[in-house]
Amino acid sequence: EVQLVESGGGLVQPGGSLRLSCAASGFTFSIYWMHWVRQAPGKGLVWVSRINSDGSSTSYADSVKGRFTIARDNAKNTLYLQMNSLRAEDTAVYYCAREGMESTPYNDHWGQGSLVTVSS
Amino acid sequence: SYELAQPPSVSVSPGQTASITCSGDKLGEKFASWYQQKPGQSPVLVIYQDTKRPSGIPERFSGSNSGNTATLTISGTQAMDEADYFCQAWVSGIAGVFGTGTRVTVL
Repeated sequence: EVQLVESGGGLVQPGGSLRLSCAASGFTFSIYWMHWVRQAPGKGLVWVSRINSDGSSTSYADSVKGRFTIARDNAKNTLYLQMNSLRAEDTAVYYCAREGMESTPYNDHWGQGSLVTVSS
Repeated sequence: SYELAQPPSVSVSPGQTASITCSGDKLGEKFASWYQQKPGQSPVLVIYQDTKRPSGIPERFSGSNSGNTATLTISGTQAMDEADYFCQAWVSGIAGVFGTGTRVTVL
């Protein structure tokens, strides 16, 4: 069974940093591209970032470019999101999601989410 | 920036058909996927590559995509289908965009 378990969320002050982790199990993590998607309270889904299978290629939403860094450790079956210079508008539940194996991007499995609250 | 517009809400009677639209510039030239999200839960993929259903998704869910509009259709809607639905497409293959979301209410 595919499992994605996020951790590392919490309360952080504006301008602070936080690192989210996503532990993957039940599939061969090293061959899948992975994503982070966020959802502010009561709002819609927003794509944040994507990383290819070996970590050599990444992409970001304009709203987080230069502040967030996606990374992975295939030996540990873990995806990361390093978030710096956090703002109030970054407050959201952050989901990690696996990309499907077809030729076009879509997310076939999602974690339960980790809440990040940016507030003083 | 690329935007995908959805109606905020759709109401449907049990057993009837619900259609949820997703509009974006030349969306038909991209692949659309659809996600269902129930309150307090993570999103679930229901349609990918415009028309394909993942294993475990009921046949009553179907999709289409042409011109500027992708459509998710739920035939024979059941009470358990009450949820928020989000479309998604990819811009230049490097950035994901979600639609604004549609709340489906089964009356």
